[in-house]
Amino acid sequence: SAVISQKPSRDICQRGTSLTIQCQVDSQVTMMFWYRQQPGQSLTLIATANQGSEATYESGFVIDKFPISRPNLTFSTLTVSNMSPEDSSIYLCSVGGDLSNYGYTFGSGTRLTVV
Amino acid sequence: AQSVTQLGSHVSVSEGALVLLRCNYSSSVPPYLFWYVQYPNQGLQLLLKYTTGATLVKGINGFEAEFKKSETSFHLTKPSAHMSDAAEYFCAVTQNTGGFKTIFGAGTRLFVKA
Repeated sequence: SAVISQKPSRDICQRGTSLTIQCQVDSQVTMMFWYRQQPGQSLTLIATANQGSEATYESGFVIDKFPISRPNLTFSTLTVSNMSPEDSSIYLCSVGGDLSNYGYTFGSGTRLTVV
Repeated sequence: AQSVTQLGSHVSVSEGALVLLRCNYSSSVPPYLFWYVQYPNQGLQLLLKYTTGATLVKGINGFEAEFKKSETSFHLTKPSAHMSDAAEYFCAVTQNTGGFKTIFGAGTRLFVKA
């Protein structure tokens, strides 16, 4: 299975600022996803990061707030913009490839606290 | 639209007892089903998955789950609980509807009593 390196592992940020989270995979993958896990909650899909085109966002998430880049098949970034305390969450990158391997590898997450 | 329901946000068992975590799903197409475990302050780890083939799937740490299409269920079991099994468990469903997307259940926290 793919190995994911997610950076930073945690950060404390001031409200109104932005943070960019990186997701690096050790092999080329077809699909990359970004999830949010709010305190004590389950995971919610933010968007699918598409290589070479704009990300596909889920209901309730917009590009202005969560811009995503996917310059190649092994790397993606998620930016949390104009942060507020409500953005304090764990953000996780997930990757998938062929059907038998799809969707089962997650990064270790970025624990974000906005103060 | 696909959805996942995990019955019971908290389950408590005694060490050595059967673990049963329930998961029901809805999906308009054949789903791929997963169970993940999350230990405190850690990321998600795949326990097991069902994609095609045998409906009883075995995973890590002695866990297994059975896909029952007629009941739209994918319950997770372990014959004998261990203290180290205490964690949060998430059921997830993935379907290909023009783009793969995984939806997670709300999670079940498993407590294991000595």
